[in-house]
Amino acid sequence: GQQLNQSPQSMFIQEGEDVSMNCTSSSIFNTWLWYKQEPGEGPVLLIALYKAGELTSNGRLTAQFGITRKDSFLNISASIPSDVGIYFCARTNGGGSEKLVFGKGTKLTVNP
Amino acid sequence: GAGVSQSPSNKVTEKGKDVELRCDPISGHTALYWYRQSLGQGLEFLIYFQGNSAPDKSGLPSDRFSAERTGGSVSTLTIQRTQQEDSAVYLCASSPVRGATEAFFGQGTRLTVV
Repeated sequence: GQQLNQSPQSMFIQEGEDVSMNCTSSSIFNTWLWYKQEPGEGPVLLIALYKAGELTSNGRLTAQFGITRKDSFLNISASIPSDVGIYFCARTNGGGSEKLVFGKGTKLTVNP
Repeated sequence: GAGVSQSPSNKVTEKGKDVELRCDPISGHTALYWYRQSLGQGLEFLIYFQGNSAPDKSGLPSDRFSAERTGGSVSTLTIQRTQQEDSAVYLCASSPVRGATEAFFGQGTRLTVV
């Protein structure tokens, strides 16, 4: 119940295409976070979601907190080469523990 | 400082030696996390500090790993008798207040055990 299933594991797309990735859990939680990690760097927070059904945008990025509270998706529109990186979903562990649990990541490659 | 600072950025050590990795969190952040990331892999939780509460050590892989946080600020992750499988990037993150789960990461320490 504590694991996050993130898919796809990797994506190879052409510049200008839209991208969609998602994360699911067998348990419900109150927070979903999406991070991006570029080579040699630590992950950087992109979007935070706190309410079921919440839809939040950050530029070309849009993320939604699933209504069942067990899933979330991240969309990137009109991809550009600098979107390359690994995208991680994360959530709190629940049960009073606030440690963050991360998915295994989606590696995105954008071909110019 | 402006962000989470980790040192050293790179560390090469011989198998069997002890290493210390340092994390300076963002000033005022009460929560501090350590994660390990092996090449091409996700983030493996190691330990979590929150204020004066007892740390959550449930992710430490063995008793060779330990961490402390002095004065609620700087943290040190110590790995004793390093093994080759300890080679990874060790990431530290901090979070502003209890219940705020938006963690801010440092650039990590790349540890290579030879």
